[in-house]
Amino acid sequence: DAKTTQPNSMESNEEEPVHLPCNHSTISGTDYIHWYRQLPSQGPEYVIHGLTSNVNNRMASLAIAEDRKSSTLILHRATLRDAAVYYCILEVNRDDKIIFGKGTRLHILP
Amino acid sequence: DAGITQSPRHKVTETGTPVTLRCHQTENHRYMYWYRQDPGHGLRLIHYSYGVKDTDKGEVSDGYSVSRSKTEDFLLTLESATSSQTSVYFCATRDSLNLNTEAFFGQGTRLTVV
Repeated sequence: DAKTTQPNSMESNEEEPVHLPCNHSTISGTDYIHWYRQLPSQGPEYVIHGLTSNVNNRMASLAIAEDRKSSTLILHRATLRDAAVYYCILEVNRDDKIIFGKGTRLHILP
Repeated sequence: DAGITQSPRHKVTETGTPVTLRCHQTENHRYMYWYRQDPGHGLRLIHYSYGVKDTDKGEVSDGYSVSRSKTEDFLLTLESATSSQTSVYFCATRDSLNLNTEAFFGQGTRLTVV
């Protein structure tokens, strides 16, 4: 299965931007990059996804490197509610499975 | 949410007893997944289904079986529960294999095997 590498944990101050990195050096041309997050005591929830171009939605932005071997999830102004585990996942073409890594635990300091 | 309901939400059972967890969805999504989550391991895929009566193994399928007799229900069965199966179990659904779609997750079932 395609693999991603993320830092185990990160810390940020409230109301500041947060950049969560993800390496996916084995990515293929048709693989999508998806991000999910899991708030405490809840199931994961979708955040954003992209293929080649940078993407923005109401929750976050996704910046994808030109060679697609890495990406960065950007939370523009972190709040305490953004404290969660963030998972970067490669969605592999013709593969039914959704495989999670261990993700990055994001701590937000008030 | 994709109208995902997991039942029960909490269960305590004894070692050696059979246990069935249910995932029910109301969105007519084709794909359904069962995960377990343990401290230090993140979410691990147990089994998944790509249609009625079509299922396949995931990363940690030993000791688990699944069934999908209707689109809306995906059952996870522990034939003989062991303490190592104490975990939080999450169900997920997805409309299609189109990589441009997202998955939706239930709220989880906390299972304790004593």
